[in-house]
Amino acid sequence: DSGVTQTPKHLITATGQRVTLRCSPRSGDLSVYWYQQSLDQGLQFLIQYYNGEERAKGNILERFSAQQFPDLHSELNLSSLELGDSALYFCASSATTSGRDEQFFGPGTRLTVL
Amino acid sequence: GDSVTQMEGPVTLSEEACLTINCTYTATGYPSLFWYVQYPGEGLQLLLKATKADDKGSNKGFEATYRKETTSFHLEKGSVQVSDSAVYFCALPNYGGSQGNLIFGKGTKLSVKP
Repeated sequence: DSGVTQTPKHLITATGQRVTLRCSPRSGDLSVYWYQQSLDQGLQFLIQYYNGEERAKGNILERFSAQQFPDLHSELNLSSLELGDSALYFCASSATTSGRDEQFFGPGTRLTVL
Repeated sequence: GDSVTQMEGPVTLSEEACLTINCTYTATGYPSLFWYVQYPGEGLQLLLKATKADDKGSNKGFEATYRKETTSFHLEKGSVQVSDSAVYFCALPNYGGSQGNLIFGKGTKLSVKP
């Protein structure tokens, strides 16, 4: 158990809909990262938050947004969903903003868009 | 930009066989290097890491040596077990660690048969 929790575990929805994925980081970790894992693209970094502030952006679509709340949990919002958004979405946390630190991954949310 | 190239799988081995998964990288400076493992149905977890040239990371019988001359970080194990069946990812921090997210290779799926 990494200490990172993600809900829901599975999500099935239709094209055009909007969903919210939730992540609680490991106790004490201030950095939260969101990654998307798909068969064709592999593991892609989406966005990072540190102590409530956006820190870095990766290949995140404009239809996607995220935030980190004062209690450090984070939410990833995906809107106007398309079939191609079907993927595993992972949240990870670490103590600092340095990429040299170990990142602890949650079990992921599997999103299926029909 | 920074990148990671690892051998594509799948790799199928018999129990007690030797394993090598090749990983090479392109990076600014001398970043930390990581191997993460993803067991079926789970999130990623850190397997081992090395923080500087000639460092050897090791864990659970797996080893990898940070080779600056060949920009490589190959994963090795002398005798694999069925329980090692998983997907293995080589990774490095973006921009040498100044940006916290990880860049992952495509992953190598290992299946170990009894």
